[in-house]
Amino acid sequence: DTAVSQTPKYLVTQMGNDKSIKCEQNLGHDTMYWYKQDSKKFLKIMFSYNNKELIINETVPNRFSPKSPDKAHLNLHINSLELGDSAVYFCASSPTGGGAVDTQYFGPGTRLTVL
Amino acid sequence: QKEVEQNSGPLSVPEGAIASLNCTYSDRGSQSFFWYRQYSGKSPELIMFIYSNGDKEDGRFTAQLNKASQYVSLLIRDSQPSDSATYLCAVKRSSASKIIFGSGTRLSIRP
Repeated sequence: DTAVSQTPKYLVTQMGNDKSIKCEQNLGHDTMYWYKQDSKKFLKIMFSYNNKELIINETVPNRFSPKSPDKAHLNLHINSLELGDSAVYFCASSPTGGGAVDTQYFGPGTRLTVL
Repeated sequence: QKEVEQNSGPLSVPEGAIASLNCTYSDRGSQSFFWYRQYSGKSPELIMFIYSNGDKEDGRFTAQLNKASQYVSLLIRDSQPSDSATYLCAVKRSSASKIIFGSGTRLSIRP
């Protein structure tokens, strides 16, 4: 039933480790996103894929690498984790990537804590 | 200047009153405007979108847009304790696929 799902929900790891977060949507949407929400609640876009193609790549360290095996999945791999990477990461999807009206449907979030 | 600005709050409103949330944006080319609600520990969920100047009503919620003043607001009538949450304003240019979010206003409805 879940529209946008993410795993894991919580991730606690040590500095320097590599970790992945997975996202899946069953809404049939063409566009998927990764957002980072910091402790001040500021929600900032990181990446966006439209039908498996990267269309938005914000100023994000290249330790972060998104991968979209198909349009229903968008995964995020993070290398050499740093303390500043601690945040909640939200996956989202939307039915269109470029129209004026673009409702985003968010997953439940993955709370990443780097120790 | 931030692209989308909101007062962080907290905004405290008595139950039954009208809560008024405000947002300003810097990009005059913005075409679409969204209000998302985010409960603590949960993900954002869309409440309303608006893209024409004026008011748009949906139940207890009214979104107001003034493109000349680069201002969008959300009014919540008959505020309920369940309305206590952080409200995120978001803005989009029609030619791009990126939505810019404000940092949110925390609303608290006191019984």
